[in-house]
Amino acid sequence: GEEVAQTPKHLVRGEGQKAKLYCAPIKGHSYVFWYQQVLKNEFKFLISFQNENVFDETGMPKERFSAKCLPNSPCSLEIQATKLEDSAVYFCASSRPELTGNQPQHFGDGTRLSIL
Amino acid sequence: LAKTTQPISMDSYEGQEVNITCSHNNIATNDYITWYQQFPSQGPRFIIQGYKTKVTNEVASLFIPADRKSSTLSLPRVSLSDTAVYYCLVGAYGAGSYQLTFGKGTKLSVIP
Repeated sequence: GEEVAQTPKHLVRGEGQKAKLYCAPIKGHSYVFWYQQVLKNEFKFLISFQNENVFDETGMPKERFSAKCLPNSPCSLEIQATKLEDSAVYFCASSRPELTGNQPQHFGDGTRLSIL
Repeated sequence: LAKTTQPISMDSYEGQEVNITCSHNNIATNDYITWYQQFPSQGPRFIIQGYKTKVTNEVASLFIPADRKSSTLSLPRVSLSDTAVYYCLVGAYGAGSYQLTFGKGTKLSVIP
């Protein structure tokens, strides 16, 4: 598609439950990025993929968080045993494959995760 | 990744030109300057990107002086729908450095 599609828009989980978020990148984009926006305007990079391969996972919490991008499926971000501090808006972005400085990332509208 | 500094908020009347300046003293040779716009409950939207001098597209202009230690996003004749948070980002997109680092952004309020 022409837009990054994230589902669901809102997700509510009790503390300790699992949460799974999905992202369909723009067709033809081979890079996918996940960001977490906790407080207003504060973004944190989590992980990026080049096709189905992890490209950069330096921002990914070592425990409880995992992500995948499998062929012919939406990418996913999964949080095991959620904590209150995981409440945030999770954004997915995608970009085209050229390895130059002028390929912007295009963002979806995010999934708002609320942990109760 | 170079740190950026921009005003926390700005107010403008409808129809005026708005200029938002971003400082990035530690910009590296390979860094590009990119601006995003974010409305409430939406993801950041790419506005414009540049490396040096001036870049213009259908929605904005980006002015970058020769030393590249700052940049100015110019929005011509703003309307109420331009009320949003604007982020200035600086980064290089070499292998392994694709992540974007967002600062706190500038909240632009357009007044009727």
